[in-house]
Amino acid sequence: DIVMTQTPLSSPVTLGQPASISCRSSQSLVHSDGNTYLSWLQQRPGQPPRLLIYKVSNRFSGVPDRFSGSGAGTGFTLKISRVEAEDVGVYYCMQGTEFPLTFGGGTKLEIK
Amino acid sequence: QVQLVESGGGLVEPGGSLRLSCTASEFTFSAHYMSWIRQGPGKGLQWVSYISSGGDIIVYADSVKGRFTISRDNAKNSLYLQMSSLKVEDTAIYYCASQIAGTSDPHAFDLWGQGTMVTVSS
Repeated sequence: DIVMTQTPLSSPVTLGQPASISCRSSQSLVHSDGNTYLSWLQQRPGQPPRLLIYKVSNRFSGVPDRFSGSGAGTGFTLKISRVEAEDVGVYYCMQGTEFPLTFGGGTKLEIK
Repeated sequence: QVQLVESGGGLVEPGGSLRLSCTASEFTFSAHYMSWIRQGPGKGLQWVSYISSGGDIIVYADSVKGRFTISRDNAKNSLYLQMSSLKVEDTAIYYCASQIAGTSDPHAFDLWGQGTMVTVSS
């Protein structure tokens, strides 16, 4: 199974400041079709997860442009350029390159 | 409104069975892959099972293989998860999810239900 490791576990951030979350996979996420199926999801308290980013760097419809994804191979990053109060929650990376689909352990974003 | 609604959760004793349902609305359910994903109390997300649009391809996580059965009825716009030989560690919120927005990433889940709680306890 592909193990997804996220850091940090928790990220206290000042409103208006940037935030960054790292995700590493135990093996390359490049699929045989050439695509890299790495997604980022946000889960606000009491809510189901919400898709933010797919295929490493593609922002999903309706997601604010302060969210961006980057990376390749086994290392990936989610960045928030200026954190807003509504960004509080837990962020997960997820690989869809092979079964079983696996998630990172989550990073809790909180406001200082 | 485009949505997924889960039902069927509840309290069950270890070794018992439960059947979860997920009903889709306002999109072409039969055209889309579906997955079940769970989240234990205070824990992260764990993928459980996948079924292709026609139901011919099915995959399970090792932790549920042989105990859980995923199925779908496209005529009823419904997805199911039959759970048997339940264990305490199966206690979780169970979400159904799908990729419907045409992102060309089959497992970029852009539509989630609100989840249904399953508690396995004596």
